[in-house]
Amino acid sequence: GQQLNQSPQSMFIQEGEDVSMNCTSSSIFNTWLWYKQDPGEGPVLLIALYKAGELTSNGRLTAQFGITRKDSFLNISASIPSDVGIYFCAGHDNAGGTSYGKLTFGQGTILTVHP
Amino acid sequence: GAGVSQSPSNKVTEKGKDVELRCDPISGHTALYWYRQSLGQGLEFLIYFQGNSAPDKSGLPSDRFSAERTGGSVSTLTIQRTQQEDSAVYLCASSLPWQPQHFGDGTRLSIL
Repeated sequence: GQQLNQSPQSMFIQEGEDVSMNCTSSSIFNTWLWYKQDPGEGPVLLIALYKAGELTSNGRLTAQFGITRKDSFLNISASIPSDVGIYFCAGHDNAGGTSYGKLTFGQGTILTVHP
Repeated sequence: GAGVSQSPSNKVTEKGKDVELRCDPISGHTALYWYRQSLGQGLEFLIYFQGNSAPDKSGLPSDRFSAERTGGSVSTLTIQRTQQEDSAVYLCASSLPWQPQHFGDGTRLSIL
């Protein structure tokens, strides 16, 4: 089945630094999503990408949908303590025109920000 | 409510017992999804519903797992004869067509 490789597994950074994480897939996805999960809570959507090559920003977050449709990255600029959490990439294969379907998740990147 | 609601938030039960987990999706969302998250892992797809039918139940790990959805709204995930390896966080999500999935806070299931 499809698998997503997410890296790095963890990051320890100083407040104010920029962060970059990425996901690669063995197969094509038509939609890439990035979620953040805080302890004891469910994942919260950060950014959704729908077109190959698309670059989308949400505040200090920027994400790109790779041109090959097999990868995506997420950048966080000027990190702050509340950025701490686990970041997940997820791919959605809605080939065939289906408007629903399962998400395939990466293993997550644990981000720690030191004040 | 405004978001996906799951209950109970925590469940501790003995091995061999049956458990029922409930998900109340965002009002109007036609699709509902169940995922499982083991400690320190990503989310693993279990099943999804479009309306009351389940087009994809490929992620259910065994026939001890079943789910239903009634009235196009609330869904119940049932695990029969629980085993210790069933311990995980069970997450529910819902969505509109072509829109991203929104998650509840999950049910933390512990099998003793």
